[in-house]
Amino acid sequence: GQQLNQSPQSMFIQEGEDVSMNCTSSSIFNTWLWYKQDPGEGPVLLIALYKAGELTSNGRLTAQFGITRKDSFLNISASIPSDVGIYFCAGRSTDSNYQLIWGAGTKLIIKP
Amino acid sequence: ETGVTQTPRHLVMGMTNKKSLKCEQHLGHNAMYWYKQSAKKPLELMFVYNFKEQTENNSVPSRFSPECPNSSHLFLHLHTLQPEDSALYLCASSQDINRGPSNYGYTFGSGTRLTVV
Repeated sequence: GQQLNQSPQSMFIQEGEDVSMNCTSSSIFNTWLWYKQDPGEGPVLLIALYKAGELTSNGRLTAQFGITRKDSFLNISASIPSDVGIYFCAGRSTDSNYQLIWGAGTKLIIKP
Repeated sequence: ETGVTQTPRHLVMGMTNKKSLKCEQHLGHNAMYWYKQSAKKPLELMFVYNFKEQTENNSVPSRFSPECPNSSHLFLHLHTLQPEDSALYLCASSQDINRGPSNYGYTFGSGTRLTVV
């Protein structure tokens, strides 16, 4: 089935650093979603994007719906230890049914 | 209780066992989903129920059998599993399966970590 290309696969960063990750698709999307999964838990929705060019923030997190409608970006500013986890992008393409298409995740690890 | 609750949290079963996973949602949603999550892979959608009717079976082997007795409960019956079926099984719910704004995000349970030995 259709998949999203999410990168990087993992990131090792120092506390206080900014983080960037992205997802790209081969088809046009009309919805982009960013989730975070803590160890031992299910994914939790962070940000939802509905229009090309849209920029939405949730605290230190900012996500953008790419203007080509084939990509999305998530930035985390001034990372803290509780940011550790796996971040997933997901979305719906214009030619698919209701099903969400998922990225493989970006694992964020903060160096001690 | 609120949200989506999955039980058990952990399950170890032999290849000849029969077991069931349970999911319950207290959100008033009408759509429920089973996903399989393996390390470093995208979530794999297994089954979808909308208003208690199964709307999707993504080529899942028959050793996995879903059941949705009502809009609040979803089960996954397991029988004669293989070691490669070991994974985290996630249940999720949404208002319904349509593409409206209220359905732009799913609510997930914490998952059942399944190990087949």
